[in-house]
Amino acid sequence: RKEVEQDPGPFNVPEGATVAFNCTYSNSASQSFFWYRQDCRKEPKLLMSVYSSGNEDGRFTAQLNRASQYISLLIRDSKLSDSATYLCVVTLYGNKLVFGAGTILRVKS
Amino acid sequence: ETGVTQTPRHLVMGMTNKKSLKCEQHLGHNAMYWYKQSAKKPLELMFVYNFKEQTENNSVPSRFSPECPNSSHLFLHLHTLQPEDSALYLCASSQSSSGANVLTFGAGSRLTVL
Repeated sequence: RKEVEQDPGPFNVPEGATVAFNCTYSNSASQSFFWYRQDCRKEPKLLMSVYSSGNEDGRFTAQLNRASQYISLLIRDSKLSDSATYLCVVTLYGNKLVFGAGTILRVKS
Repeated sequence: ETGVTQTPRHLVMGMTNKKSLKCEQHLGHNAMYWYKQSAKKPLELMFVYNFKEQTENNSVPSRFSPECPNSSHLFLHLHTLQPEDSALYLCASSQSSSGANVLTFGAGSRLTVL
């Protein structure tokens, strides 16, 4: 089983749609969780950290489900500019950060 | 600009060449990283430096040789590479190497090995 697993997509959605991605992780002792965003041919950038109680930043909501070992990212009212690859990042043993392969989102007009 | 600058942005080299990638961060961070990103694969951690000391070498072949002269600069020296080493090499920095810290990435150096 991969340490961090994401559906590669692509998720093709119309503008204004709500879309959600999940990311599963294998180590139940993982402590920190993040979503990064990577635009085509650019570097990854932090989108948001994921807190145990869930957190929201504008149109973006992140949730953590420790029992089932997954995190989720919900994007409401999708914009064309949301088109990117969304990377799930989890700390595993020894504070080692592990990246998922990413989920591609394409928002179309 | 993210505060992490990588040069060169693009590099083409033959298998017998020796070249170096450079990374500089202006964020006052204490930890620096090299990651490799190949198409459709997750980012692979290569090396971690914390306060100039190497704290992780993720079983990277010896044809990749890192150097960290101070907390602001990181190099990746390349020699006798293979075509499968062609990838995007990303440098990142963080306040420390604790996993709870956020990484700031440079724009990457896209390497092609012929």
